[in-house]
Amino acid sequence: GAGVSQTPSNKVTEKGKYVELRCDPISGHTALYWYRQSLGQGPEFLIYFQGTGAADDSGLPNDRFFAVRPEGSVSTLKIQRTERGDSAVYLCASSLTLDTEQFFGPGTRLTVL
Amino acid sequence: AQSVTQLGSHVSVSEGALVLLRCNYSSSVPPYLFWYVQYPNQGLQLLLKYTTGATLVKGINGFEAEFKKSETSFHLTKPSAHMSDAAEYFCAVSDRYSGGGADGLTFGKGTHLIIQP
Repeated sequence: GAGVSQTPSNKVTEKGKYVELRCDPISGHTALYWYRQSLGQGPEFLIYFQGTGAADDSGLPNDRFFAVRPEGSVSTLKIQRTERGDSAVYLCASSLTLDTEQFFGPGTRLTVL
Repeated sequence: AQSVTQLGSHVSVSEGALVLLRCNYSSSVPPYLFWYVQYPNQGLQLLLKYTTGATLVKGINGFEAEFKKSETSFHLTKPSAHMSDAAEYFCAVSDRYSGGGADGLTFGKGTHLIIQP
């Protein structure tokens, strides 16, 4: 079956621009997570959805970052006024429940020039 | 707050030799512990996890890890390295859920495993 997919795989943008990163979770998975992985670091938790609602967004670094999951499936991570420090790989994961394995997508590599 | 420390950003072993990747954690409650592997251009894949019960956990691809509460460690081992084991390995901890949600997983910085022919 299909795993977690993320688009685009690579995104290059200029400082100050707006970007959207998309995540398609495994069908039927109610839990969805976004992580950010900077160069030489492990993934860092950003936000978690249970269904359509953001159950925990405590990891979002500031109010330029926002994520939605309007129908409880696909999620979009939105970054406004991008900064060079936002350059990283953004990972999405999904799981059936809170107590089951998280399956990760291949990530979107964001480069802010 | 929980944290994970992985000793050694790079570990190099010969093919056929023992693999040992170190992970120490801090957590205010009994933790759930995980090892993930990341191959180039692929998503993180769960190797194994410790929830409760037996402290020696066996995972995929011949890897295993032992939870040692007294040492706050969860080191990953494999008796004989194979060229296909070359990848980035991440140790992670969760203090509430055995799948890592809803607070998400807290990851270490990772260890790049290099296999010498």
